[in-house]
Amino acid sequence: NAGVTQTPKFQVLKTGQSMTLQCAQDMNHNSMYWYRQDPGMGLRLIYYSASEGTTDKGEVPNGYNVSRLNKREFSLRLESAAPSQTSVYFCASSERRGEHSYNSPLHFGNGTRLTVT
Amino acid sequence: DAKTTQPNSMESNEEEPVHLPCNHSTISGTDYIHWYRQLPSQGPEYVIHGLTSNVNNRMASLAIAEDRKSSTLILHRATLRDAAVYYCIRRLTGGGNKLTFGTGTQLKVEL
Repeated sequence: NAGVTQTPKFQVLKTGQSMTLQCAQDMNHNSMYWYRQDPGMGLRLIYYSASEGTTDKGEVPNGYNVSRLNKREFSLRLESAAPSQTSVYFCASSERRGEHSYNSPLHFGNGTRLTVT
Repeated sequence: DAKTTQPNSMESNEEEPVHLPCNHSTISGTDYIHWYRQLPSQGPEYVIHGLTSNVNNRMASLAIAEDRKSSTLILHRATLRDAAVYYCIRRLTGGGNKLTFGTGTQLKVEL
């Protein structure tokens, strides 16, 4: 089992460029998430998808869009990258749906390191 | 505020037990306590979770105070591979999927 797979592993963008971060899970999980991690700040939730067809904003959604393409895939798009979006991005998934996920562990990918110059 | 309070760093010697504390004084009666750890250059990894009773699994034990305002993650015999940042998280039952990560405790393990 691959678990949660993120592509690419590394990316350098210039200010104003766009890109999509891809995430796929093979565990048949209902819920998926995007987090960013900046030095000294822990992980912050960008967007999440409680189930296929639904998405909701997290703590820091500005400058991002998401698509839950199907049950397996959840992508994160930067339409116009800014240096403030330089970060490590983590995708995660969990088994249960929405409000009943509180005792279901999250499974994380190994991250995408994004630099915006 | 859903965040928890942990020491910034702790040190341990290899093969000794490690007790990682966490304060969650504003916890409500139905919030779970989850622990994750993050090794260098990897995503966070689930360790253990609990509600009221102490919990054990193959990785660690979780001791939850009777008033639930604090908890302790116990690694019974630390190894060099346990060197990581450990996050204690309140999992809000009414908060949907929103795990709130703090800055965690950096555990250093020495020979």
